[in-house]
Amino acid sequence: GAGVSQSPSNKVTEKGKDVELRCDPISGHTALYWYRQSLGQGLEFLIYFQGNSAPDKSGLPSDRFSAERTGGSVSTLTIQRTQQEDSAVYLCASSLAISRVTGDVRQYFGPGTRLTVL
Amino acid sequence: GIQVEQSPPDLILQEGANSTLRCNFSDSVNNLQWFHQNPWGQLINLFYIPSGTKQNGRLSATTVATERYSLLYISSSQTTDSGVYFCAVGRMNRDDKIIFGKGTRLHILP
Repeated sequence: GAGVSQSPSNKVTEKGKDVELRCDPISGHTALYWYRQSLGQGLEFLIYFQGNSAPDKSGLPSDRFSAERTGGSVSTLTIQRTQQEDSAVYLCASSLAISRVTGDVRQYFGPGTRLTVL
Repeated sequence: GIQVEQSPPDLILQEGANSTLRCNFSDSVNNLQWFHQNPWGQLINLFYIPSGTKQNGRLSATTVATERYSLLYISSSQTTDSGVYFCAVGRMNRDDKIIFGKGTRLHILP
């Protein structure tokens, strides 16, 4: 079956421009996560959505970052006025459930979007 | 929030060797996953193991939740095992986010 997909796979932009990154989770998955990974580093949590609940935005590094999830499916991560330190791979993951009481909580990751800010 | 520490940070082994990777966490969790990130960057879920022991081929994992650690065992290493292994934990019953450790970078020499 189809996995998590992300687009674009690569994005090069100039400092100060806005970018939008898209994530299509696995169909039926209620939880969706965004992470950021700088070169050679671990995964930094950004935000997660669970069903119709308010998202946990505690990992967003500044107010230039925002994300939305429409219709409980596709999510868009927007970075406004990009800076060079925003350069990283942005990873999206989804899981069937947020609570193991209700189902499978394993995360499945997309291939990522490599963002380069010049 | 929960702290996750993985050790060792780097490991270089000859093909055929066995290895043990460790994940320590600072609070009780009921979600623990191990991932492998291949050299092309793709993250693959290896195990969901909040407690107990699981095996899948040459890989096995054990989590001792009461002592707040998990171990990933790789036997008879192959060059395709190279990459970074991440441990990720969460307290899902409290709708908490899943936090990743910094990973163990494994390099298997032919």
